[in-house]
Amino acid sequence: AQTVTQSQPEMSVQEAETVTLSCTYDTSENNYYLFWYKQPPSRQMILVIRQEAYKQQNATENRFSVNFQKAAKSFSLKISDSQLGDTAMYFCAFVYSGAGSYQLTFGKGTKLSVIP
Amino acid sequence: GAVVSQHPSRVICKSGTSVKIECRSLDFQATTMFWYRQFPKQSLMLMATSNEGSKATYEQGVEKDKFLINHASLTLSTLTVTSAHPEDSSFYICSALPIMRAFFGQGTRLTVV
Repeated sequence: AQTVTQSQPEMSVQEAETVTLSCTYDTSENNYYLFWYKQPPSRQMILVIRQEAYKQQNATENRFSVNFQKAAKSFSLKISDSQLGDTAMYFCAFVYSGAGSYQLTFGKGTKLSVIP
Repeated sequence: GAVVSQHPSRVICKSGTSVKIECRSLDFQATTMFWYRQFPKQSLMLMATSNEGSKATYEQGVEKDKFLINHASLTLSTLTVTSAHPEDSSFYICSALPIMRAFFGQGTRLTVV
């Protein structure tokens, strides 16, 4: 069974600063995908960034980047130049792409507050 | 990009009645959809996997007879909360994963009074 662990229930960062959210996972699979989702107060789940496990290069999306360490099973999210709109719950998620099963496994989330 | 539309966004119902929540994939076909429940300040908890043309797969502890799932077409899955009780009040979200990229509905806030 796959597990995803987010060890930081809450974090805060000053506007324009950089923050890193941590995520570790446990799996015996080799082919999988990792995601960071943002859930603002509206509760709509928004995809922030996606990483394929077979790719060594870390994914980046504008101010968002990840540090993917496959051997260590670590997948942290770095938010640069934090903005007030980044305030949200952030969920790390894992999906295994084998055997026709595409079930997402979520971490418990990190509540990020961006302080003006 | 792919869009998943969920309706209604909010519903209030009386105890003992049933409520149907719809989840539609708007620009892709979804043979599989997922239904989650989210309690305040918690993560998403998978309730069931909805399979087009076949029975849904429920997670352990989820009552099949209370949470009826129907996936009659490639673009529509429905979750019916039957004989609703106040403890069923929660936020329900559906999801689909075309091309290994999950898309979520807007969620439904159910309040049972």
